[in-house]
Amino acid sequence: DAGVIQSPRHEVTEMGQEVTLRCKPISGHNSLFWYRQTMMRGLELLIYFNNNVPIDDSGMPEDRFSAKMPNASFSTLKIQPSEPRDSAVYFCASSLAHQGYDGYTFGSGTRLTVV
Amino acid sequence: AQSVTQLGSHVSVSEGALVLLRCNYSSSVPPYLFWYVQYPNQGLQLLLKYTTGATLVKGINGFEAEFKKSETSFHLTKPSAHMSDAAEYFCAVSLSGSARQLTFGSGTQLTVLP
Repeated sequence: DAGVIQSPRHEVTEMGQEVTLRCKPISGHNSLFWYRQTMMRGLELLIYFNNNVPIDDSGMPEDRFSAKMPNASFSTLKIQPSEPRDSAVYFCASSLAHQGYDGYTFGSGTRLTVV
Repeated sequence: AQSVTQLGSHVSVSEGALVLLRCNYSSSVPPYLFWYVQYPNQGLQLLLKYTTGATLVKGINGFEAEFKKSETSFHLTKPSAHMSDAAEYFCAVSLSGSARQLTFGSGTQLTVLP
């Protein structure tokens, strides 16, 4: 398996523009997580899905952020409009929640810079 | 509710010295415990985990951790540090039987001095 695949690896955009981050989880995993990492706030859970259904989005900063998981192999995180304070590394992770729990597998992240 | 506290946001050791990264957790039920490592410009990688059974768990790259229920701790150790161990390390906890959500600590940056 190729692991969790995120695209793009780097994104530079101007304030006010729409940004879409993409994630392909590991095949067969039924839970997907979006995290944001900054120096100031560390790792923050934004939202997670189980069987493609959003379970907890309480970490989504505000209405400018939205996430979708239209099928088991694809998820997006969208920021519209983007602001400089959204600059961070965004990670996607997936897992298979079962009794022999193995933890999460993380993607390599998308480094977002909003100028 | 569960929580994780990592003592020391930065730890420096000399090459060849013992590495000890501290993690304490709070959980009302038996926890699953994890250590992840993050190298620069990379995602988090699972080092080791404790779910049930033997309380001393061994992971990759010579790291190990011991689950001590009485101390609510899960400290990470390595007998001899290598330059390649320089990275950020995260402790995480999940409630057993509710494996959907990990709670991460704030991370410890490990520096290895030559």
